[in-house]
Amino acid sequence: NAGVTQTPKFQVLKTGQSMTLQCAQDMNHEYMSWYRQDPGMGLRLIHYSVGAGITDQGEVPNGYNVSRSTTEDFPLRLLSAAPSQTSVYFCASSFGQLPSGNTIYFGEGSWLTVV
Amino acid sequence: TQLLEQSPQFLSIQEGENLTVYCNSSSVFSSLQWYRQEPGEGPVLLVTVVTGGEVKKLKRLTFQFGDARKDSSLHITAAQPGDTGLYLCAGGGTSYGKLTFGQGTILTVHP
Repeated sequence: NAGVTQTPKFQVLKTGQSMTLQCAQDMNHEYMSWYRQDPGMGLRLIHYSVGAGITDQGEVPNGYNVSRSTTEDFPLRLLSAAPSQTSVYFCASSFGQLPSGNTIYFGEGSWLTVV
Repeated sequence: TQLLEQSPQFLSIQEGENLTVYCNSSSVFSSLQWYRQEPGEGPVLLVTVVTGGEVKKLKRLTFQFGDARKDSSLHITAAQPGDTGLYLCAGGGTSYGKLTFGQGTILTVHP
């Protein structure tokens, strides 16, 4: 029972490089999202998707792109990495819509350092 | 923009003590969730409260949603070292993807 799988776990990038954080879930969840977690700031929503082919911006979308071609996958792309994007990134998925109380499952996180 | 103020930010107590973590906002939320996060892992949902005034209990943990659905509290009775971790509250709006998280409370319970 894999749940939400994120790769890579750790990554170091140079300023200006691009990369993709992968996220896959095997629970047939419609809803997927990406958050970043920084010290003292909780988790902040970057982008989210309510189904294949549908994405929308969250609170801090600048510098990130997403696409949702399948129900299972929701990759997050950093177009030109900046030191301000050094953070821990979490992918999450849910079967249903809040506030029905559906459980949101988080991946284990991807630690990204931009130097 | 909806904001959730969580307090205290840090809490260091001895085993057996009681504690309360608060989550306050000027905005109304459709639901309020509490998560616990261990180092190196993602947050794990503890509870969801959706009705104003609702109280839920999970063993030694008691969660309350304010009558106006603007605030919530987490009370732990007789804390144990296994309760150590980061506790996060998160408010849900009327559409998915709009979870607003508090800053988190780092709880350390000493044996």
